[in-house]
Amino acid sequence: AQSVAQPEDQVNVAEGNPLTVKCTYSVSGNPYLFWYVQYPNRGLQFLLKYITGDNLVKGSYGFEAEFNKSQTSFHLKKPSALVSDSALYFCAVRISSASKIIFGSGTRLSIRP
Amino acid sequence: KAGVTQTPRYLIKTRGQQVTLSCSPISGHRSVSWYQQTPGQGLQFLFEYFSETQRNKGNFPGRFSGRQFSNSRSEMNVSTLELGDSALYLCASSPGADYLTDTQYFGPGTRLTVL
Repeated sequence: AQSVAQPEDQVNVAEGNPLTVKCTYSVSGNPYLFWYVQYPNRGLQFLLKYITGDNLVKGSYGFEAEFNKSQTSFHLKKPSALVSDSALYFCAVRISSASKIIFGSGTRLSIRP
Repeated sequence: KAGVTQTPRYLIKTRGQQVTLSCSPISGHRSVSWYQQTPGQGLQFLFEYFSETQRNKGNFPGRFSGRQFSNSRSEMNVSTLELGDSALYLCASSPGADYLTDTQYFGPGTRLTVL
């Protein structure tokens, strides 16, 4: 079965420190990977996506993610966290053999001042 | 460009009733997708419409239906509401040319509470 896993329900980081939000996937075929962020009482906002090409993808608000095919991972990173980065983060995958997008369970990122 | 709008933002219904939610996509976008978000099940894909046709469908019962109009606006209908239908319903629009790689832009959602 196709799936996306976000192994950490919560990630806590001090402001100014680097942050990583993990995502792994299990799919057959080539994956198209996405990261979204959700602030309280809001819809999802697009951060970045991997379609093909360079494994390091840069996105909005200083975020980046690295596609690692051998480890089937697509971790979200930021060199220096801001308190305003505190939110719920979702990883998602689409594949050509499935007619839907699959979201991970979400990771709550908390940045302390 | 104006973003994706959803109406109403909040809705309270009782079991057995039906409800219709509306979504207006970003101008020029031809694809509209619907999602259900709950604390227990997370984000689940309901269906996607492109050029007035349902292009993709998730694993929800037939009580959940939708349609898209010629101006790309979309409505979602849930009949015979159950307590478990209480959720945040999100709509997302995208250009529509490539379902696999298009970026989706989400609306703020409609919070449905079923009593």
